[in-house]
Order: sequence, then C-alpha cells, then structure tokens
Amino acid sequence: QVQLLQSRAEVKKPGASVKISCQPSGDNFKYFYIYWLRQAPGQGLEWMGTINPSGSSATYAQKFQGIVTMTRDAATSAVYMDLGSLTSDDTAVYYCASPPDAFSSSGIFASWGQGTLVTVSS
Amino acid sequence: DIQMTQSPSALSASVGDRVTITCRASQDIRRYLNWYQQKPGKPPILLISGASNLESGVPSRFSGSGSETQFTFTITSLQSEDIATYYCQQSDYVPYTFGPGTRLDIK
Repeated sequence: QVQLLQSRAEVKKPGASVKISCQPSGDNFKYFYIYWLRQAPGQGLEWMGTINPSGSSATYAQKFQGIVTMTRDAATSAVYMDLGSLTSDDTAVYYCASPPDAFSSSGIFASWGQGTLVTVSS
Repeated sequence: DIQMTQSPSALSASVGDRVTITCRASQDIRRYLNWYQQKPGKPPILLISGASNLESGVPSRFSGSGSETQFTFTITSLQSEDIATYYCQQSDYVPYTFGPGTRLDIK
C-alpha cells in the first residue's frame, strides 16, 4: 500500500480556486490510480474523481465536471486536485486515496492521505 | 447513480455485544461492497472489501456478508476501540457512492 501526504489547510474566498497536493512515499506510486474524495463537516463521504497512473486521463463525478481538474507530476510523483468556483458548500476535508493494487482502478479506497481542510468564507 | 442506505443511523451497544449494520444498494452491485471505519478527525480505514474479505491487520471480530443489494457488517464482540462511524461503499459502478454512515457508541 501507498502512504500519502497531503498539503496544508486552506482558507479561500467564494469564487476562488484551491489546489491541493498529494505526495506519496514509495517508488511504485507512479503505478497507482489516485482518487479524490471529500467530506463536509459532520457529513458523509463523496467521491470526486479518479486520475490514472500516467496522468493522461481523469474521470470526474458529474457534479464536479467543469470545475475540478486532477493532474500528476511525473517528476515529483505528486498528484494535484484543483477545484474552482468555490462556494461555502465546498467547505470540507479533501482526501486523496489509492486502491490496494497498482494498475487497478477498483474503486476500493485502501490508503488515504491525512486530509486537507478547505474553508470557504468571505 | 447507485443509492446506498444504511441502518441504523446510530447504535449504542455495550462492550462484548454483537453489533450488526445493514447496507442496501438501489440496484444489484454483485459483491462490490466495501466497509470503512472512521474515527473523529481521521481518514477512513478500509476494513472489508468485496463484501466479505477482511483486510490485512483488521481484527477477526469484524466480518461482512451479502450480495446483490443487501449486505451486513458485524462486530462479534464490541470493544471500546470500535467506537466510530462505519460506512459502506459500492465499487461496482462509477460514481462510487457511500452510505450515510452508522455512528456506533458505547452504552
């Protein structure tokens, strides 16, 4: 399994965008699909999207289409999630996660980052 | 999208009790059902995948069963460290969706 370290908490104004990073430990991270999920305060878990190992393809949940972009940096192995047009409803803890096996997008969230709190407030 | 429901939404039990949580899917998801444990301020932990496959390192008091649209998660002898919220999640179809969670505490 992969260990994932996410960037620090952010405070943003409505209408702004936020970019969160997810840095792995381990050499084989480049072979893993990465998922992004979020959890609003006191609420449940929501899958936002998936990026493939090469970074050439990402699949987004319909509600995030057009406002989210997931990317990977091959040089640093970091994965990024950029969410735009922020509203107060986007206040949440954002998680990156990986499946149990390399090269497989099983939809099983086996390893998780520690979470990044994004607060959207004017 | 596949809707996932869980019951009960909250549960209070005593140490040593057998605890059962039910998860239902709005359509057939075969056995692509996973269970997570989440404690406050922490990310979820995968406990069971494929409806009944216990993840490595997870205590054997946890178990899962079911298929198609109805699934069950059981703790055979509740321990104080099991206090958490438990989520089911389907991984058969995109978008992957979660149940609303079951909050478990000690009576």
